Amino acid sequence: RKEVEQDPGPFNVPEGATVAFNCTYSNSASQSFFWYRQDCRKEPKLLMSVYSSGNEDGRFTAQLNRASQYISLLIRDSKLSDSATYLCVAPNRDDKIIFGKGTRLHILP
Amino acid sequence: EAQVTQNPRYLITVTGKKLTVTCSQNMNHEYMSWYRQDPGLGLRQIYYSMNVEVTDKGDVPEGYKVSRKEKRNFPLILESPSPNQTSLYFCASSFIGTGGFSYGYTFGSGTRLTVV
Repeated sequence: RKEVEQDPGPFNVPEGATVAFNCTYSNSASQSFFWYRQDCRKEPKLLMSVYSSGNEDGRFTAQLNRASQYISLLIRDSKLSDSATYLCVAPNRDDKIIFGKGTRLHILP
Repeated sequence: EAQVTQNPRYLITVTGKKLTVTCSQNMNHEYMSWYRQDPGLGLRQIYYSMNVEVTDKGDVPEGYKVSRKEKRNFPLILESPSPNQTSLYFCASSFIGTGGFSYGYTFGSGTRLTVV
């Protein structure tokens, strides 16, 4: 299994729909997980940290499933401005921070 | 404003001409790192530093050098750039909490390097 794996997409979703991404990780001892958003040719920006209990920020919900070793990001009532690439982040066995290659999301009007 | 500042934003250079990309953060973060981003390959770590005078190789360190003489600065040095180092480079920093956990990175705006 790759250290951090994401479906590259693209996900083409109509405005207002709910969309979910999963990201699998290989290091069962990982403690720190994050979702980042990256717009074209711009720097990644921290979207959410992912806690064991899950966390919610407005339309965004992040969850952690330790048993199956994946984290998820749910976006409700999607907006055109949500179009971006979403990167998940997890540490590997050497505690190096590994970024997934990203999932591209296109919100369609 | 809390930020990571990279310079230059754009750079075109010739093969073999030494260059330095600067990175500075004003958040007193211990952890700093350099990444390169290429289409289809995602973000790949070049070097990272856990604190002053402590640096370690990432996944793709060949052809790069770094130094961490001060906490705020982490320059990336290409001693003899080659065309395969043409890429988008990001510097990032993070606070490291108790137990060694990162609280999430702050990235610089990126440096688009072209080596001809």
